[in-house]
Parts: sequence; structure tokens; C-alpha cells
Amino acid sequence: DTEVTQTPKHLVMGMTNKKSLKCEQHMGHRAMYWYKQKAKKPPELMFVYSYEKLSINESVPSRFSPECPNSSLLNLHLHALQPEDSALYLCASSLKDRLDTQYFGPGTRLTVL
Amino acid sequence: AQSVTQPDIHITVSEGASLELRCNYSYGATPYLFWYVQSPGQGLQLLLKYFSGDTLVQGIKGFEAEFKRSQSSFNLRKPSVHWSDAAEYFCAVGVNRQYIFGTGTRLKVLA
Repeated sequence: DTEVTQTPKHLVMGMTNKKSLKCEQHMGHRAMYWYKQKAKKPPELMFVYSYEKLSINESVPSRFSPECPNSSLLNLHLHALQPEDSALYLCASSLKDRLDTQYFGPGTRLTVL
Repeated sequence: AQSVTQPDIHITVSEGASLELRCNYSYGATPYLFWYVQSPGQGLQLLLKYFSGDTLVQGIKGFEAEFKRSQSSFNLRKPSVHWSDAAEYFCAVGVNRQYIFGTGTRLKVLA
């Protein structure tokens, strides 16, 4: 099984809402990632979790809050987002670190009104 | 500065024609090299990767890529394109614990 699943597929939220994105993998991977992708652009790394610990935060605003409850799950909590945060949010995982092959989920299309 | 360049923003080919997508990088060491494909609104799928060894790498869906150290390139090729290959293609480079995506090439396939 080389699948990374993400829920929900689509999310529309207001600027005062609190919502969460969920990502799950059962490949035994110990590194998990959140990326943000705007239209016609490459993915931009947001966070890296390595062995369930946050190892990289690419200067992401605090309105994005990641969480890794266990080695299979990765959440991204959203609060007080701005319209410019509308994007495709991709989760990925790899065996140990970023130089291993990353497996991507299908993404959550987020729209902030 | 370290960078990954995909010089072609858009490429259009006819179905059945051959394809070459270019990727150049500027790093001192030999990096880990990847090609991904992304269909509209979808996640990225790994086509192939190069870490070491044979510089001609075979991937999925009939794609191959060749690492040329002298040219700092890792170009993606396919001998005969299918309409289903229309997508965005990203080259990625991993070196010194960094992982950098190129800006992407959008492939359009004419019937």
C-alpha cells in the first residue's frame, strides 16, 4: 500500500472559522510533510515531522498549526485564515527524510472567504 | 545560489510524438534527482528518481530520464506521448537535506 489519504477533499471556510485537515499513511513512514501549492506553482514546504517531532517549520504563520498524534497521522489546524491562504494543501510522507521518495496525497482544496 | 530550472513553462506535442522535458540544477555536489507528474487538482506522483549508478533511469508510464553531470541536467523523455500524459511535470532536487522543486512544465497533448 503506497497510499497517502487526505480529508476533506474540498474545504470552504470563513476567516473566523477553525478547521482541520487530516492526512494518514500506513506505509510505516517516519517523515511526514505539509506543502502549500498555489495555482500553476510548485509545492512550497510548510512543515516536516520526523519521528513524530516537528523538525522543520518554514516560517509559516501561526494561524497554521500542525500536529502529529502518531506515526500514521498528520493534522493541520487552521484558524483565522486569510483569503490568500486559499490553495491546494498537500500531505506527503517518506521513509525517513526528504531525500527518500516522497509519496503525496491528493490534496485538500481550501478556499477562504 | 542553489536552484532548479525548468526552462519550458509550456510544451505542446502531438499524440504519438516524442517528448523531452528539461531540468537543470546548480549545486556543487551530485544531488538526488526526481521527476513528478501532477494531474489537475491532484497530488504529485513520482515518475522516477536518480540517486547513483546508471545515469539512464527508467520510470513508470514509459518515461525515462538521463543524468548528465557535465551539463547539470536531468531531462525527462518519452518516445511516444499519449493523450493521458497531459499534466504538470515537476523536477525536484535533493541535496544537503534540502528538497527543491522546479517551477514546472505544463504539457499539452494534441490529438
